[in-house]
Amino acid sequence: KQEVTQIPAALSVPEGENLVLNCSFTDSAIYNLQWFRQDPGKGLTSLLLIQSSQREQTSGRLNASLDKSSGRSTLYIAASQPGDSATYLCAERAGNMLTFGGGTRLMVKP
Amino acid sequence: GAGVSQSPRYKVTKRGQDVALRCDPISGHVSLYWYRQALGQGPEFLTYFNYEAQQDKSGLPNDRFSAERPEGSISTLTIQRTEQRDSAMYRCASSLEVGYYGYTFGSGTRLTVV
Repeated sequence: KQEVTQIPAALSVPEGENLVLNCSFTDSAIYNLQWFRQDPGKGLTSLLLIQSSQREQTSGRLNASLDKSSGRSTLYIAASQPGDSATYLCAERAGNMLTFGGGTRLMVKP
Repeated sequence: GAGVSQSPRYKVTKRGQDVALRCDPISGHVSLYWYRQALGQGPEFLTYFNYEAQQDKSGLPNDRFSAERPEGSISTLTIQRTEQRDSAMYRCASSLEVGYYGYTFGSGTRLTVV
């Protein structure tokens, strides 16, 4: 059974900091890895999708990397803003389903 | 449609009642998935369909849970004889097909069993 772990579980930073969220997974035979953002009471918004053949993806202030050999992915958020406050979930796709980590709850203080 | 639509958004039901949760995927998406998310945790897989065929139901907790997608589009997740432990956010997602495509999630249905 695939396992996905996210560290830290919670993070509080002042506005403007660059930060890194970590995701580790046990199954290296993945199709892709997806990072989502979850806001309270709302759905999951896809942020970045990294295919197994790729090493990283970038969207605005977000950059996600993938290292299959070590079973790790990181989400880098540059110049954090209060609007970035949310729960960030990573999920690996190995086979027919996504397996999610427990998420990192991010709070960016003004 | 433009996104994945789930209804109802909120459902409060009495213990022992049956509930049906609906998911309308993105038009043309072959694969449809149901997940359940407890507070403070990541979503957990329940079941998925390719077209109308249920390919994997290994995540359904017990036989009170069932799902169908009779015409390969809209899906219904049914919970019979609900129990308080069934209270959670139920999320539906669709994907163009199995493999290298990402998932798009709906807003979810918050189920509360009282």
